[in-house]
Amino acid sequence: EDQLVESGGGLVKPGESLRLSCAVSGFKFTDAWMSWVRQVPGKGLEWVGRIKSKAEGGTTDFAAPVKGRFTISRDESKNTLYLQMNSLKTEDTAVYYCTTDREDLGDSWGQGTLVTVSS
Amino acid sequence: DFVMTQSPLSLPVTLGQPASISCRSSQSLVYSDGNTYLSWFQQRPGQSPRRLIYKVSNRDSGVPDRFSGGGSGTDFTLKISRVEAEDVGVYYCMQGTHWPPGFSFGQGTKLEIK
Repeated sequence: EDQLVESGGGLVKPGESLRLSCAVSGFKFTDAWMSWVRQVPGKGLEWVGRIKSKAEGGTTDFAAPVKGRFTISRDESKNTLYLQMNSLKTEDTAVYYCTTDREDLGDSWGQGTLVTVSS
Repeated sequence: DFVMTQSPLSLPVTLGQPASISCRSSQSLVYSDGNTYLSWFQQRPGQSPRRLIYKVSNRDSGVPDRFSGGGSGTDFTLKISRVEAEDVGVYYCMQGTHWPPGFSFGQGTKLEIK
């Protein structure tokens, strides 16, 4: 069974940085395309970005609101996905989920980690 | 701009009755490989989202067969044949065909029991 466990959320000030982690198990991480999706509490879902498997280039794509500020990386030796968030804004406040992307986005999800950006 | 539009946004349903949610995209979701990347997700209160349907009509593992997806081009539908109490939550459609903008979700439809 797929397990995805996010961590690293917390309270930061505007302009600061934060790195989220997603530890995975139960499937072959090296083959997996992965995404980050966020949700402002009480609001809808917003895709943040994705990373392809290393075999398919390990390239990343990002949604327009975070492009140039966020990066995604993966460490196959640790079975862990990362989301590096720089120059954070108040509108980045949300619960951040990692997902596996088999047959399109979101066949498995983590429990989410809350990021609050506030002065 | 690319837009995904769901209707209705609120859906009160009597237990045991059918329910239907519509999702419309501003452009055709048929990809160059011939597939249509339209998925449906369920988010129960306090839980992470769960994918129900991918590529229009394929049910994910463990999803009850009372859930079905259909449609083509720009118009898609999620149907629940007989609503149960555990179906309460918000349902989202999502497209994965157009890049940019990348994966795009509808606004969500809140299903509640009458």
